[in-house]
Amino acid sequence: AQTVTQSQPEMSVQEAETVTLSCTYDTSESDYYLFWYKQPPSRQMILVIRQEAYKQQNATENRFSVNFQKAAKSFSLKISDSQLGDAAMYFCAYMRGSQGNLIFGKGTKLSVKP
Amino acid sequence: GAVVSQHPSWVICKSGTSVKIECRSLDFQATTMFWYRQFPKQSLMLMATSNEGSKATYEQGVEKDKFLINHASLTLSTLTVTSAHPEDSSFYICSARDLAGGEETQYFGPGTRLLVL
Repeated sequence: AQTVTQSQPEMSVQEAETVTLSCTYDTSESDYYLFWYKQPPSRQMILVIRQEAYKQQNATENRFSVNFQKAAKSFSLKISDSQLGDAAMYFCAYMRGSQGNLIFGKGTKLSVKP
Repeated sequence: GAVVSQHPSWVICKSGTSVKIECRSLDFQATTMFWYRQFPKQSLMLMATSNEGSKATYEQGVEKDKFLINHASLTLSTLTVTSAHPEDSSFYICSARDLAGGEETQYFGPGTRLLVL
């Protein structure tokens, strides 16, 4: 069975600095997708970034980028120029290509200090 | 990104009553929708997969007779919590699978807070 592990329950970053959130996963599949979702206090799940396993190039979305290491089954999220609005729970998620359902890690609570 | 709505956002009900939660994809068609449950300070746990025009697939440990799912159209899935009890109090979130442009993505509704008294 696939599993997703986020080893950092909480992280803190100074405003305008850079922070990296860790995620590892376990799978025997070759076709899958990886996601980072943000959940602010409103509890609305917001898609931050997605990565297809077959793509070697790391995905980027403005200040958000990932370091996808397929062999190591690692998928970390880097947030550059952190802003106060980035404070939230961040969930790493795995999706098996053919099924579509997401398997989530336990989340990392990110605090941003002004 | 695509928009998914969920209604109601808040519901308080008495023990023994049934509650229906609607999940709609507003600007895309979703052949597959998912229902998750989230307890405070915990992650999302998949309850069931809802496919348009067919029976839902439930995860192990989820009572299908208690959590009735109907996916009658490509834009609407409903979750009915039957004979709700206080232990059913939770945050329920739906998501819709979007395959537009060949990019597999899931978009989430804003969630429904259920409190059973």
